[in-house]
Amino acid sequence: AQSVTQLDSQVPVFEEAPVELRCNYSSSVSVYLFWYVQYPNQGLQLLLKYLSGSTLVKGINGFEAEFNKSQTSFHLRKPSVHISDTAEYFCAVRTNAGGTSYGKLTFGQGTILTVHP
Amino acid sequence: EADIYQTPRYLVIGTGKKITLECSQTMGHDKMYWYQQDPGMELHLIHYSYGVNSTEKGDLSSESTVSRIRTEHFPLTLESARPSHTSQYLCASSGTGQFSYEQYFGPGTRLTVT
Repeated sequence: AQSVTQLDSQVPVFEEAPVELRCNYSSSVSVYLFWYVQYPNQGLQLLLKYLSGSTLVKGINGFEAEFNKSQTSFHLRKPSVHISDTAEYFCAVRTNAGGTSYGKLTFGQGTILTVHP
Repeated sequence: EADIYQTPRYLVIGTGKKITLECSQTMGHDKMYWYQQDPGMELHLIHYSYGVNSTEKGDLSSESTVSRIRTEHFPLTLESARPSHTSQYLCASSGTGQFSYEQYFGPGTRLTVT
């Protein structure tokens, strides 16, 4: 079975400051990793994904994440945040094994990022 | 652009009523999913479908049922709503091959049972 832990439930930052949202996962097989963003009263939007290759992946809105296999982490970063980045962020993992778990995502508990002026 | 629709967006209903939450996608995706999301909590998969006439229960037990008669349509039904069903319900879909990795989400239905 796989699980995802987002280490911070809330992260307050000031505008133009850097931010890191932490995500750790556990899985007995290789995985694909995702970050989604959810704005108030909306569904989830994909920010970025790691499938294979370079461990540093870049996504939309200036976000990037680094896959660290030895630490089983996939932390999300942005060097300078904007007020509009205020939202809830979810880390998710998908096993690339077959069987009944094929294609299913396991989500973390979410991190609420609040950007203050 | 991903097009996946959910109606209604908000629903307040009394205990014991039967409700159906609608989900439709125009991308021709084979796989569709229903998630339940409580405030401050992770999303839990409650149902999924890999194609027409294929439905499975997810990781979180749910009293709801689903059907998949058409590729584009994946409605969720509660036969008798209870206050414990109050939650946000999110529908998602994904394609095949290289497009199977991403799930596209609808805007959600926020259900309140009084």
